[in-house]
Amino acid sequence: QITLKESGPTLVKPTQTLTLTCTFSGFSLTTTGVGVGWIRQPPGKALEWLALIYWDDDKRYSPSLKSRLTITKDTSKNQVVLTVTNMDPVDTGTYYCAHIVISYYYYMDVWGKGTTVTVSS
Amino acid sequence: EIVLTQSPGTLSLSPGERATLSCRASQSVSSSYLVWYQQKPGQAPRLLIYGASSRATGIPDRFSGSGSGTDFTLTISRLEPEDFAVYYCQEYATSPLITFGQGTRLEIK
Repeated sequence: QITLKESGPTLVKPTQTLTLTCTFSGFSLTTTGVGVGWIRQPPGKALEWLALIYWDDDKRYSPSLKSRLTITKDTSKNQVVLTVTNMDPVDTGTYYCAHIVISYYYYMDVWGKGTTVTVSS
Repeated sequence: EIVLTQSPGTLSLSPGERATLSCRASQSVSSSYLVWYQQKPGQAPRLLIYGASSRATGIPDRFSGSGSGTDFTLTISRLEPEDFAVYYCQEYATSPLITFGQGTRLEIK
């Protein structure tokens, strides 16, 4: 059974750097065709993809946020870490990580429950 | 950059009725990369449909997906009370790699 859990601070100040950790089980990020992605959702708004990392360490970022994002993985700990620099109140929302399947089809089949981040001074 | 437009924004129906949700892409996309999710309040999104028409594990057969090119549809044949939620379409592989629609809220009439 695949599970993912997001963790990190619930409150950050403007201009600070946010560091979120996705701890997963039930799969390995060394398996071909597997990835982990980060998605966020401002309160009452739609989902927005942020970044993803594949089994081969290929990393992709949302073009609109690329300069502020860094994604890394630690396969020995079954963790993926996302950092977001220069946080702003508009970055407030729920941040999810998700398991990605890459085969003939591409999709995110299992999501964590999300972690809520508020940006405020 | 691809844009996914979902319609209607809100759909008001009664249990037992048929729901038809639309997702239109600003450019042609591969059906292999078109996905539908369901999200209930306070919960993470749940995978419903991948590859435009393949149901995910455990998804009831009242949910079906169809379409190709730029026009895709999620159909719920007979609404159950637990189906009232927000539905998102998503495309994977065209710049900016992963794009979500703005969502359709399915509410009880």
